Amino acid sequence: EVQLVQSGGDLVQPGRSLRLSCTASGFTFSDYAISWVRQAPGKGLEWITFIRSNVYGGETEYAASVRGRFTISRDDANSIAYLQMNSLKIEDTAVYYCSGGSYSLWGQGTLVTVSS
Amino acid sequence: DVVMTQTPLSLAVTLGQPASLSCKSDQSLLHSDGKTYLYWFLQKPGQSPQPLMYEVSRRFSRVPDRFSGSGSGTDFTLKISRVQAEDVGVYYCMQGIHLPRTFGQGTKLEIK
Repeated sequence: EVQLVQSGGDLVQPGRSLRLSCTASGFTFSDYAISWVRQAPGKGLEWITFIRSNVYGGETEYAASVRGRFTISRDDANSIAYLQMNSLKIEDTAVYYCSGGSYSLWGQGTLVTVSS
Repeated sequence: DVVMTQTPLSLAVTLGQPASLSCKSDQSLLHSDGKTYLYWFLQKPGQSPQPLMYEVSRRFSRVPDRFSGSGSGTDFTLKISRVQAEDVGVYYCMQGIHLPRTFGQGTKLEIK
């Protein structure tokens, strides 16, 4: 089955770190860019980052709201994408979705709550 | 950042009737490769977004043909020919050419 399965969401204190994972199956993960999109409680969708396939140099881009604090990476051997989130802020509280295949495939989402 | 503006913010439609959703960008979404990178997604309550359309008018796989997309440049429309109960949710457009990628604020579709 073609799918993205997410893990790693948790309750963390402001200033702490967290890593999210997005594990792919059923397709050639290395061929595709992976994006992360988040949704704060009761709000709309916010694109935060993507990483291109290594065929395109594995280039990364970030939204200003997370640049310098979040890092996206990929492990093509194991078909996993990661989102390393450092210096978390209360306003980072959201459901985080990974997406691949030019947004044709989405993970189930994982909740990150930043609170003291 | 490119601003995506969706109208209306909410829409109530009778089952079997058509619906039209608008999305406007403040910059052209036409790429030098000739493609226009405008997506539509539907987020049903409690679910992940699901893809509907890419490149304005191309349906993702398994999307019913009652959904159609049109438009060019900065002005886009998603139409549902006959609304079904399973079409309820929030519809988002997203531009895929400029960085950062940006979404519209969403149009909530309900059944009247």
